[in-house]
Amino acid sequence: EVQLVESGGGLVQPGGSLRLSCAASGFTFSIYWMSWVRQAPGKGLEWVANIKQDGSEKYYVDSVKGRFSISRDNAKNSLYLQMDSLRAEDTAVYYCAKEKYSKYCDVWGQGTTVTVSS
Amino acid sequence: QLVLTQSPSASASLGASVKLTCTLSSGHSTYAIAWHQQQSAKGPRYLMKLNSDGSHSKGDGVPDRFSGSSSGAERYLTISSLQSEDEADYYCQTWDTGIRVFGGGTKLTVL
Repeated sequence: EVQLVESGGGLVQPGGSLRLSCAASGFTFSIYWMSWVRQAPGKGLEWVANIKQDGSEKYYVDSVKGRFSISRDNAKNSLYLQMDSLRAEDTAVYYCAKEKYSKYCDVWGQGTTVTVSS
Repeated sequence: QLVLTQSPSASASLGASVKLTCTLSSGHSTYAIAWHQQQSAKGPRYLMKLNSDGSHSKGDGVPDRFSGSSSGAERYLTISSLQSEDEADYYCQTWDTGIRVFGGGTKLTVL
């Protein structure tokens, strides 16, 4: 069964850091682009970042550039999102997603919640 | 700028059909999109990829009641024989080099 399981969410103060993880199983992780997508409370989906199969290309939404860093470990079938200088507006459920043909998300995780508050 | 526009809400009766619309921004009318469903308190689920010519490929296990079509810059998701579990938020997504874009979503209510 193809599965993505996120972890690492929690409550953090403004300006703090958090590292999210996504464990992949049931497919050959190393041959797919991967994305992080978030959803603020009561809002729609917002793409955050994605990464090429070998990690050589990474892209970010403007609002997180310079603060967030996406990475992966193909040996561990894992995707990561390092989030620094967190702001209240980063509060959201963060989803890990597999990309098909490096274009669109075709497998989603169940999400992990990040709350930025003092 | 690549933007997807969706109506915030739609409603239809149990057993009826509904057609949801996703509109691509000017200059991007040939782009393909993907449709996703998000039921209450759940993660999103991929439904289908929809091309500009109306051809589409559905995800595993997506019922035949779900179909896609296209006209110009508009991409449609049609759900026939509506069931209660179809009540959900529906998002379209597109892509370009270095970016992925989601529409604002349509909340579908099944009456």
